Amino acid sequence: SYELTQPPSVSVSPGQTARITCSADALTTQYAYWYQQKPGQAPVLLIYKDSERPSGIPERLSASRTGTTVTLIINGVQAEDEADYYCQSADSSGTYRIFGGGTKLTVL
Amino acid sequence: EVQLVQSGADVKKPGESLKISCQGSGYSFTTYWIAWVRQMPGKGLEWMGLIYPGSSETKYSPSFQGQVTISADKSITTAYLQWNSLKASDTAMYFCARLAAASDAFDFWGQGTMVTVSS
Repeated sequence: SYELTQPPSVSVSPGQTARITCSADALTTQYAYWYQQKPGQAPVLLIYKDSERPSGIPERLSASRTGTTVTLIINGVQAEDEADYYCQSADSSGTYRIFGGGTKLTVL
Repeated sequence: EVQLVQSGADVKKPGESLKISCQGSGYSFTTYWIAWVRQMPGKGLEWMGLIYPGSSETKYSPSFQGQVTISADKSITTAYLQWNSLKASDTAMYFCARLAAASDAFDFWGQGTMVTVSS
């Protein structure tokens, strides 16, 4: 079965840079997407098509790809960034969507 | 303004049926896929399936195929997620989300519907 692998947790101090990775073989043929979810809220789209930001998402959030690994980068981490982050992609046919297991970002 | 408004929380007993809803507004409901996403307590997001309200074409995750039914009524711009016989393991928050055509991203989400199945 197809899986997206994320680290369960990442911790950074305020003002530092957080990097959250997401890897899977099928990422070579499909785009990656990133969502932020805060407790008790619905997810919010942060990044689409590997590295594009929707309007309203701050520039300190970005993403990159290296082979089968995509990375969400949050520069100048703030307390408000503490949340769960999910990558999402599709299987090689593009039919079935899938989410990574999620990464809890803790701001120390 | 694009909005997806979901039905309220529900508590059911095992074996009962349930249909939850997701009403879209502020956009052309029939020309965007709608997804359903499950989040079990304390766990991650799981994609369940998609429906295209314009034609009612559906796509299901293999994990949920046969376990739920996704439908839509375009006359009232509403998508549905239905169970015929609930299990305790169906206890979860369920989100609907719009799939943007250009970006292929889930760009707008409903507020979620909490389903609790308990005897």
